[in-house]
Amino acid sequence: DIQLTQSPSSLSASVGDRVTITCRASQGINNYLAWFQQKPGKAPKSLIYAATSLQSGVPSKFSGSGSGTDFTLTISSLQPEDFATYYCQQYNTYPATFGPGTKVDIK
Amino acid sequence: EVQLVQSGAEVKKPGESLRISCKGSGYSFINYWIGWVRQMPGQGLEWMGIIYPRDSDTRYSPSFQGQVTISADRSINTAYLQWSSLKPSDTAMYYCASAGISGSYDYWGQGTLVTVSS
Repeated sequence: DIQLTQSPSSLSASVGDRVTITCRASQGINNYLAWFQQKPGKAPKSLIYAATSLQSGVPSKFSGSGSGTDFTLTISSLQPEDFATYYCQQYNTYPATFGPGTKVDIK
Repeated sequence: EVQLVQSGAEVKKPGESLRISCKGSGYSFINYWIGWVRQMPGQGLEWMGIIYPRDSDTRYSPSFQGQVTISADRSINTAYLQWSSLKPSDTAMYYCASAGISGSYDYWGQGTLVTVSS
């Protein structure tokens, strides 16, 4: 199985901050990398697919970058509604796998 | 509008069987993979498996192979996740999700909470 690691596991940030979350795959995944946001008690929501493509309806403050094995999710200006847990997922190879998550909370 | 609507919460005893469902609408159900994701209390997301409703091609995570069965009834646009003998460790929220044109899980159901307790 392809393993995904995320860093940091948690972070505290203020409204307006620029936030970057990293996801590293144990082997190349051909950019089949997605990012999801999950708020407490809610289903995950798709933000980014194919490493850099923004899902329809997702604000442009979210962006994805990277290739090969190293990927990044950036939130350009953190807003109160962005405090949540973020997961990366590779869907290049079965079983598709999720990263352990990064919890973003208020400083 | 794409919607995945899951069946309601379940409370079961160890050893009982269970099937939960996920009904898709607003898109061509048979042409997109649909999968199941487990989230144990306070934990992260785990990919369980996925099915292609058109031909029922199914893939499982090794962690869940033999523990659950994924199926689909394309006549009613519904996918299923079933257990033949539940354990307390199956207590979790279970989400279905559809892989859209992107290939990623574009759309998610609201989740079904399964509680297994004697």
